[in-house]
Amino acid sequence: EVQVIESGGGLVKPGGSLRLSCAASGFIFSDYRMNWVRQAPGKGLEWVSFISSSGIYISYADSVKGRFTISRDNAKNSLYLQMNSLRAEDTAVYYCVTGAGATRDWGQGTLVTVSS
Amino acid sequence: DIQMTQSPSSLSASVGDRVTITCQASQDISNYLNWYQQKSGKAPKLLIHDASNLETGVPSRFSGSGSGTDFTFTISNLQPEDFATYYCQQYDNFPFTFGPGTKVDVK
Repeated sequence: EVQVIESGGGLVKPGGSLRLSCAASGFIFSDYRMNWVRQAPGKGLEWVSFISSSGIYISYADSVKGRFTISRDNAKNSLYLQMNSLRAEDTAVYYCVTGAGATRDWGQGTLVTVSS
Repeated sequence: DIQMTQSPSSLSASVGDRVTITCQASQDISNYLNWYQQKSGKAPKLLIHDASNLETGVPSRFSGSGSGTDFTFTISNLQPEDFATYYCQQYDNFPFTFGPGTKVDVK
């Protein structure tokens, strides 16, 4: 069974940093492209970042470019999102999502709250 | 960036109704479109990819059509478990933008 489990969320002050992790199991992680998608409280879905299976190709939403860094460790079946210079508007549930195109496997999300 | 619009933003319907949601892209995205269902407090669930391909296990009352810039999502016989919010998403170009969502609630 495909499983992705996010962790690392929490409360952080504006300007602070946080690193999200996503542990993958039940599939060959190194074969899969991966994404982060977020959802602010009561709002719609926002795609955040993409990384290719090898980690060579990366893309970001304009809203996070220069502040967030996506990475992966295929040996550890793990995806990461390093978030720096956090703002109140980054408050959201962050989802780890498999694939590009048919993005069918989503974790349950981890909540990031940016507040003083 | 490709902008995605959806209409309506919300609708009220009854069990057994036929429900139609439209999604429009600001430029040609071929058929690179997903439809998701999201229930309150849960992660989104992929229902349709490539505009019209039903995911395995998704009931056949759900369907999608369209290509280019105009897409349609239909629930042919609304069931109680279908009350939820539905999103379209394009994956033709980065950023992979979502539509704003359509909330389907009980009439």
